Amino acid sequence: EVQLVESGGGLVQPGGSLRLSCTGSGFTFSNYEMNWVRQAPGKGLERVSYITASGDIINYADSVKGRFTIARDNAKNSVYLQMNSLRAEDTAIYYCAAFHDYWGQGTLVTVSS
Amino acid sequence: DVVMTQSPLSLPVTLGQPASISCRSSHSLVSSDGNTYLSWFQQRPGQSPRRLIYKVSNRDSGVPDRFSGSGSGTDFTLKISRVEAEDVGVYYCMEGTYWWTFGQGTKVEIK
Repeated sequence: EVQLVESGGGLVQPGGSLRLSCTGSGFTFSNYEMNWVRQAPGKGLERVSYITASGDIINYADSVKGRFTIARDNAKNSVYLQMNSLRAEDTAIYYCAAFHDYWGQGTLVTVSS
Repeated sequence: DVVMTQSPLSLPVTLGQPASISCRSSHSLVSSDGNTYLSWFQQRPGQSPRRLIYKVSNRDSGVPDRFSGSGSGTDFTLKISRVEAEDVGVYYCMEGTYWWTFGQGTKVEIK
């Protein structure tokens, strides 16, 4: 069974940092581009960042460029999202996705004082 | 930037009746490799998105055949031939040719 499990979400103050993790199983993780997609409360879907299977290409949405960093460790079947200088508008459920084939259940990030 | 526009945004449907969702892109979604990267996702209440259709008309494994996708260039459609109760949720189109840009979502509910 394919599984993607996110962790690391929580409540953080504006300007703070969080590191999200996502671990995959049931598929060949190292073959997949990995993505982070977020969904603000009651809103639609926004791709935040992706990293290719080998990690050689990385890209970010303009809304997070310079503040978020994506990384992966294929030996651990994991992808990470380091989020710095968080803002209220970053409040969302963050999903990791293997390409767009498989999706996790998401982890909630709340940025509030 | 590519803009994906869905209509309608709300779709009340009678059980057993058909439903259709339109998705229009501000740019042609035909890629330089000749493929058109347009997908459809279903998000049931409280769940994560699930892909139904990829590359315009290819149904994912396990997706009922009452779901079908069609279109080309900038205009695309998702059809449900006979709506069932489990189809309630929000449906998103997404272009994968340029980045991943999602439509605003169409909420399907039962009348």
